Amino acid sequence: DMKVTQMPRYLIKRMGENVLLECGQDMSHETMYWYRQDPGLGLQLIYISYDVDSNSEGDIPKGYRVSRKKREHFSLILDSAKTNQTSVYFCASSLYDSGNTLYFGEGSRLIVV
Amino acid sequence: QQQVRQSPQSLTVWEGETAILNCSYEDSTFDYFPWYWQFPRESPALLIAIRPVSNKKEDGRFTIFFNKREKKLSLHITDSQPGDSATYFCAAGGNYAQGLTFGLGTRVSVFP
Repeated sequence: DMKVTQMPRYLIKRMGENVLLECGQDMSHETMYWYRQDPGLGLQLIYISYDVDSNSEGDIPKGYRVSRKKREHFSLILDSAKTNQTSVYFCASSLYDSGNTLYFGEGSRLIVV
Repeated sequence: QQQVRQSPQSLTVWEGETAILNCSYEDSTFDYFPWYWQFPRESPALLIAIRPVSNKKEDGRFTIFFNKREKKLSLHITDSQPGDSATYFCAAGGNYAQGLTFGLGTRVSVFP
């Protein structure tokens, strides 16, 4: 069963707290992604990971970092969350590269107050 | 600037009509153009995709028309159904070093 799982699904944090969003996939896909989605701004790429410990910044990496120690897991970390990081975060995976289908997780809704 | 542009922002059609969604892109190195759709409170999912070797891709009631020279493409939804009501994202990619670049989306409402 092809699935991308995100945890937690909903999260409320205070400004300045650390946030960990986790993502797992069961398809052995090499490439994984973190996007954020805001009303009117579409989907914006934060980070892309080509495989274990092979990560690259996307279009809006500032304020975020990532970790990929196993092919099936990709984490997004916010050190000292800011209110403008309130958003819905989507993890996705694809076979090899973005020229193939991206499979998205259910999303993690983060509110920073 | 926006690498992938979509128009209109929103579109309302009656059941049975054809909805036409437009998309244009900047980067001529893009070689893969998927359309994703997203229903409220759900995640995006692949609907249909095209590569520049073709100028048309059809899947049931959904057809992509592609014009490489003008860097434009469009998605036609024929015989629109209320269940087609969703936000449609045009995307571009294919370069290993890039993720998919998404447009801002077109919100389609189909009324019975």
